[in-house]
Amino acid sequence: RKEVEQDPGPFNVPEGATVAFNCTYSNSASQSFFWYRQDCRKEPKLLMSVYSSGNEDGRFTAQLNRASQYISLLIRDSKLSDSATYLCVVNKPGNTPLVFGKGTRLSVIA
Amino acid sequence: GAVVSQHPSRVICKSGTSVKIECRSLDFQATTMFWYRQFPKQSLMLMATSNEGSKATYEQGVEKDKFLINHASLTLSTLTVTSAHPEDSSFYICSAFRIGIPPTNEKLFFGSGTQLSVL
Repeated sequence: RKEVEQDPGPFNVPEGATVAFNCTYSNSASQSFFWYRQDCRKEPKLLMSVYSSGNEDGRFTAQLNRASQYISLLIRDSKLSDSATYLCVVNKPGNTPLVFGKGTRLSVIA
Repeated sequence: GAVVSQHPSRVICKSGTSVKIECRSLDFQATTMFWYRQFPKQSLMLMATSNEGSKATYEQGVEKDKFLINHASLTLSTLTVTSAHPEDSSFYICSAFRIGIPPTNEKLFFGSGTQLSVL
């Protein structure tokens, strides 16, 4: 089983739509979880951290289910500028590098 | 502004030559930096962990003699792709940890990446 698994997509949605991405991780000892956004041939940029209590930042909502080892990202009222690849990222215990999922591609269409 | 600077952003070279990529942490010391490689439509794959003042730790399958990493100072790590081949063509990106600073407390910062094309 891969350490971090995501549906690669692509997700093609119209402007204004709500879209949800899911991610599963294999290491139950993982401590920190993030969603990053990556545009083509650019560095990943932190979108938001993911907490067990769930957290929201504007149109973006992230959820973590430790029991199921599952992370989600919900984007409401999609904008054209949301088109990108969304990376599910997990931090293993200790001073270790982040582990990236393959990413889910989102295309928001006018 | 950028807190991790990576150069060059793009390089085209002939097969058999060596290419050096620099990663600098700006305004903070990074004892540990990470080098990733990303092929088209693939995830970022960790190549190695660069430790200041000591040898780098390479991931399984990454040739340490081909991908030379030097972390001679607390603000600079370099990756040298030696005897480059076309299959080394990829997007290389570095990252560095910085102790969380408000308001974002973001700890991991990425360089802007280097697109390497080997002819």
